[in-house]
Amino acid sequence: SQKIEQNSEALNIQEGKTATLTCNYTNYSPAYLQWYRQDPGRGPVFLLLIRENEKEKRKERLKVTFDTTLKQSLFHITASQPADSATYLCALNDYKLSFGAGTTVTVRA
Amino acid sequence: GAVVSQHPSWVICKSGTSVKIECRSLDFQATTMFWYRQFPKQSLMLMATSNEGSKATYEQGVEKDKFLINHASLTLSTLTVTSAHPEDSSFYICSAGTSGRGDEQFFGPGTRLTVL
Repeated sequence: SQKIEQNSEALNIQEGKTATLTCNYTNYSPAYLQWYRQDPGRGPVFLLLIRENEKEKRKERLKVTFDTTLKQSLFHITASQPADSATYLCALNDYKLSFGAGTTVTVRA
Repeated sequence: GAVVSQHPSWVICKSGTSVKIECRSLDFQATTMFWYRQFPKQSLMLMATSNEGSKATYEQGVEKDKFLINHASLTLSTLTVTSAHPEDSSFYICSAGTSGRGDEQFFGPGTRLTVL
């Protein structure tokens, strides 16, 4: 069966450190993979999209890698800030957008 | 970026009544709109995909007679939960895209439905 797993439900880090989130998938062949941020009681907000032929994508303090052999994406938040505290969702595009359950990141000041 | 609104943001209703949720793309024309449901601490689950002027495509296990979707224009889609029951209580989120494949989807803020 198809499955999207995000490494942990919660991640607590100190301000200034790098948060690394993992997204693993099975039985998908996505053309792209996306990362979204979701705050409590709100809809997801698009952050980054990476295509199957791209190894890495950056946007400001965010970096995403995509390894189609390992079937894994890593999402990094560098120089983390308390304002980065949120739930981060990975999502795969095949014929539809399928989401992982998310990892809740808490950045301590 | 593109803005998608939802109305209402929350609604409480009695069991057996119907509830309509609106999803609007405010500054772009959305050829495709998507409806998701999210239970606490769970991932978003796609319920249906709708293209303007045509019938919605429902995901397996979603009752099309219970969750009525209308996509009458390029800026408006509605989801009606008919004869709502407490198990329909959830967070309903719409998104809009400009292609069926959905390179990037723009999500609404969500609607919290509570059925008593």
